[in-house]
Amino acid sequence: DTAVSQTPKYLVTQMGNDKSIKCEQNLGHDTMYWYKQDSKKFLKIMFSYNNKELIINETVPNRFSPKSPDKAHLNLHINSLELGDSAVYFCASSPAQAARGYTFGSGTRLTVV
Amino acid sequence: GIQVEQSPPDLILQEGANSTLRCNFSDSVNNLQWFHQNPWGQLINLFYIPSGTKQNGRLSATTVATERYSLLYISSSQTTDSGVYFCAVVLTGANNLFFGTGTRLTVIP
Repeated sequence: DTAVSQTPKYLVTQMGNDKSIKCEQNLGHDTMYWYKQDSKKFLKIMFSYNNKELIINETVPNRFSPKSPDKAHLNLHINSLELGDSAVYFCASSPAQAARGYTFGSGTRLTVV
Repeated sequence: GIQVEQSPPDLILQEGANSTLRCNFSDSVNNLQWFHQNPWGQLINLFYIPSGTKQNGRLSATTVATERYSLLYISSSQTTDSGVYFCAVVLTGANNLFFGTGTRLTVIP
C-alpha cells in the first residue's frame, strides 16, 4: 500500500523525445508536487498543484507540464528532452495547510542520452 | 529568495558516535521538516518541527524559530543512518518546501 507511487522508477531516453512520469497518492491529500534533484543532490520545487491552483516555479522550462486528471494523480510530461533534464524527479503530496505531513514518492531517475 | 544552509556538508562517524547537524534559514518560516535520503534515494520524513523539540528513538530535533535555526541530533549512530540529511522549510502562505544543501553522513562500522 504505497502512499505515493511513481512510475517508472528508471527512464532512459534519447534527446528530443517526449516522455511522461506518472504519480498517484492514496493519502487523500489535497496538494501534490513535483521536485527535481540534480546531480549535486540539490532538491528544488518544480510545481505544486491542488484542485484549485497550479503554481509553477518560474525557472522551469515550458517543456515541462503537469497534468492532473483527478485529485489523486499528478503526472509530469516533458517535451523535447535535453541532456540537462537528466535528474531524479520526485512526486510528493501533503495536506492543504502548511505542507504538514509531506510524503514523497520513491523517485524516477531520468537519463537523457 | 530564502536561503537554507546546512552544516557540515559531510560527516564521517564511527558507529556508536553522536552527532549534531545544523540548519540555518534566512527568513521567517511556517514549517520546518527534516528528511533522511537513504542510499537507495528514498526520502523519509523524520520530523515536522516548526518550533520546539521532538524526539524519536535515537533522533531528536530542536528548532529555535526566533533565531532561525534547527538542529538534528543523532545518538549512538548506526550504519543504517548513512545517507543525506535535508532540512526543508515552508514560507508563510506557501505549501512547497525549500530544501537545504544537505549533510552527507557516512557511518563506518
